Amino acid sequence: DQQVKQNSPSLSVQEGRISILNCDYTNSMFDYFLWYKKYPAEGPTFLISISSIKDKNEDGRFTVFLNKSAKHLSLHIVPSQPGDSAVYFCAASNQAGTALIFGKGTTLSVSS
Amino acid sequence: GAGVSQTPSNKVTEKGKYVELRCDPISGHTALYWYRQSLGQGPEFLIYFQGTGAADDSGLPNDRFFAVRPEGSVSTLKIQRTERGDSAVYLCASSPTAGTFTDTQYFGPGTRLTVL
Repeated sequence: DQQVKQNSPSLSVQEGRISILNCDYTNSMFDYFLWYKKYPAEGPTFLISISSIKDKNEDGRFTVFLNKSAKHLSLHIVPSQPGDSAVYFCAASNQAGTALIFGKGTTLSVSS
Repeated sequence: GAGVSQTPSNKVTEKGKYVELRCDPISGHTALYWYRQSLGQGPEFLIYFQGTGAADDSGLPNDRFFAVRPEGSVSTLKIQRTERGDSAVYLCASSPTAGTFTDTQYFGPGTRLTVL
């Protein structure tokens, strides 16, 4: 059973607009969440993270929001750029810090 | 500096054969992780090393899978009697410290394993 869910397999956005990628989780014990970005034939690269003691974390064009009561997080990219086109994975760290639990990913396409 | 490297980048084998996949983590990183990514799925955790020892191998699917890290740096994932269902991209990651859930994991490019 998937503990981290990304229900939208794909998202298409125009350059300059906002991209919003969503993620839901089922385990209320998860305390730390991450977003990774993956280009074809490369490994995932870390993008941004958030601890459960916060509800927002911002890094340049990327902002992650966490709603603990809804067990939901979202990644906002603004403004979106064609180079942002990639697969985005939401992940949660297990409490022991021994593993990341990933969603299935959302493929973002940003058109110019 | 050099990132995580994995060899080979591609491996094609026949059902029933034995394969070894190698991971060179970032120098000085204590923690090393193996994941498997099947088509259309996210990476799925296999095993975690803290130094030389496997601290969490709960993700290994069965006893055909085994991994070692004898000197606390390079790791080898070994798969015996390969099956077609083992076909996937095998990803390795490392992080600076062990058992710290806020540590960033840095991933290698993966080894694409195809079992015919």
